[in-house]
Amino acid sequence: GQSLEQPSEVTAVEGAIVQINCTYQTSGFYGLSWYQQHDGGAPTFLSYNALDGLEETGRFSSFLSRSDSYGYLLLQELQMKDSASYFCAVRAFSGNTGKLIFGQGTTLQVKP
Amino acid sequence: EPEVTQTPSHQVTQMGQEVILRCVPISNHLYFYWYRQILGQKVEFLVSFYNNEISEKSEIFDDQFSVERPDGSNFTLKIRSTKLEDSAMYFCACKKEGDSNQPQHFGDGTRLSIL
Repeated sequence: GQSLEQPSEVTAVEGAIVQINCTYQTSGFYGLSWYQQHDGGAPTFLSYNALDGLEETGRFSSFLSRSDSYGYLLLQELQMKDSASYFCAVRAFSGNTGKLIFGQGTTLQVKP
Repeated sequence: EPEVTQTPSHQVTQMGQEVILRCVPISNHLYFYWYRQILGQKVEFLVSFYNNEISEKSEIFDDQFSVERPDGSNFTLKIRSTKLEDSAMYFCACKKEGDSNQPQHFGDGTRLSIL
């Protein structure tokens, strides 16, 4: 089977740093993506790691270790607007289109 | 920034009726997807579509489901005879290229409520 594990909830204060972990067990792994979703709206792409290491995009960074089947999303200088659900998603090769397999999502609550 | 447009935003339908959910993907994108998200749960893959045919479908995508690209701009998901358990958010997504690291871009979704 294919599965992704991430914490269901995380709480942090404004200005802090938070790390959301994701472990996965999938076949045909091509890379790990992170998406943000506010109130059930459109999942918005944040970051993608195909190779081991850290990718940095502004306040957000994402890390991947393929040997450990593990990745994380790091959010720095948290703002109230960062309160949302965060999903890790494995890009699984399928034909030539690459479906995404999502984790259950982590609800991040940022407090003042 | 180009967007994926989905209509309607909310569809309420009686069980057993047919529904068609519509999507206008980003214009130069070639790969199309439908996902669904039952309230409070994860996003689940339904189907991928490329070059006017289905590339892959999940177990959820049974004979009641079909997809079509009737013209150069629209991409539709049809559910022939809806069931209560089809109630969910349905997201259309698209991607520019297949084997690259290009992200999938999602629309705002259609909330489907089956009564």
